[in-house]
Amino acid sequence: SQTIHQWPATLVQPVGSPLSLECTVEGTSNPNLYWYRQAAGRGLQLLFYSVGIGQISSEVPQNLSASRPQDRQFILSSKKLLLSDSGFYLCAWRLAGGRRGIQYFGAGTRLSVL
Amino acid sequence: AQSVAQPEDQVNVAEGNPLTVKCTYSVSGNPYLFWYVQYPNRGLQFLLKYITGDNLVKGSYGFEAEFNKSQTSFHLKKPSALVSDSALYFCAVEGNMLTFGGGTRLMVKP
Repeated sequence: SQTIHQWPATLVQPVGSPLSLECTVEGTSNPNLYWYRQAAGRGLQLLFYSVGIGQISSEVPQNLSASRPQDRQFILSSKKLLLSDSGFYLCAWRLAGGRRGIQYFGAGTRLSVL
Repeated sequence: AQSVAQPEDQVNVAEGNPLTVKCTYSVSGNPYLFWYVQYPNRGLQFLLKYITGDNLVKGSYGFEAEFNKSQTSFHLKKPSALVSDSALYFCAVEGNMLTFGGGTRLMVKP
């Protein structure tokens, strides 16, 4: 069966520090991968998605970047964190090739920028 | 562009009573609709989806949703609420990308 792992679960970082959040998927190949941010426990904002290694699409221009160095690995990064980057970050995967497919979510990373 | 509206920030229900969480959508073409549930400090869990076919879709944990094309709605329902159903519920529509509503907090009181 497929599983998705996100780490760390919680992170407290000072303003101006770098960020690296990692997400890996097991049990499937060539998944579509997604990074979302959830602010204040409410709606989800799609940040990045990837349909293959090295292929990243950005939905919202901001202080973050994403990379997909391996088929089942998706990394969210920042060179310098801002206070506004605080939030709950969720990684998700879906089988490639279909709009009908279910997205499966990781447990999330709660980021506090102080 | 597609959009999803969940008009209620919170729904309060007594345990054992039926519950409804409302969702309306806007999308070009055939809608692919989803409901997800989120427990505190957790990721989203899939509940059910509508792609085509029967307008009443049954999902996990006794939930079901009714697709109404004329009203562009996809309301989530359950005949008898449990305290453990208390969580944040998201409706989503797939257009060129999966778009989520703002979420509805369901509170089931004993």
